[in-house]
Amino acid sequence: DGGITQSPKYLFRKEGQNVTLSCEQNLNHDAMYWYRQDPGQGLRLIYYSQIVNDFQKGDIAEGYSVSREKKESFPLTVTSAQKNPTAFYLCASGDTQETQYFGPGTRLLVL
Amino acid sequence: QKEVEQDPGPLSVPEGAIVSLNCTYSNSAFQYFMWYRQYSRKGPELLMYTYSSGNKEDGRFTAQVDKSSKYISLFIRDSQPSDSATYLCAMSISGGYQKVTFGIGTKLQVIP
Repeated sequence: DGGITQSPKYLFRKEGQNVTLSCEQNLNHDAMYWYRQDPGQGLRLIYYSQIVNDFQKGDIAEGYSVSREKKESFPLTVTSAQKNPTAFYLCASGDTQETQYFGPGTRLLVL
Repeated sequence: QKEVEQDPGPLSVPEGAIVSLNCTYSNSAFQYFMWYRQYSRKGPELLMYTYSSGNKEDGRFTAQVDKSSKYISLFIRDSQPSDSATYLCAMSISGGYQKVTFGIGTKLQVIP
């Protein structure tokens, strides 16, 4: 089956800890994106990547880091510098600008 | 003022009703317009996308764009309880990579 997978579904972070969210796609899409979704707010772009080994900051990149070593994979690390990490994180991929397809999401909670 | 405004609802309608969901925007450069459906605790699913002005129909769903009024709509005919979800509008400027701007979503409940 083609699609986007995210893991884990739920993730708990202790204070001062870095955690990594996984995103994999088998749609052969060049572009991949990470968004954060909070109640009462629209999706906010954290990072995006148009090609392997290249990525750009979005609107709220502070406290986050990414890598794009393979076309299929775009992991997101939430670092200890991100002071308010509790949110629903969504990964997306796309072949053209107007069509982004989303994964099922990872809910990050702080212990 | 936000670039994209969307009433968060909730909007409750009886089964079989025609539903109208709307967004307004301020950036006249937006050319691509999308609607996503998001069930609770799931990722958004692309429903419709349109380029520039006009209508697009897909089954029970019709997307409408009025660029002169900076207003987009999604109509759902013969609404079903399975349509109960949050509907996000999204838009972007054409050409190269452009950021997609999302509305906050309208929560729809279709009552059997």
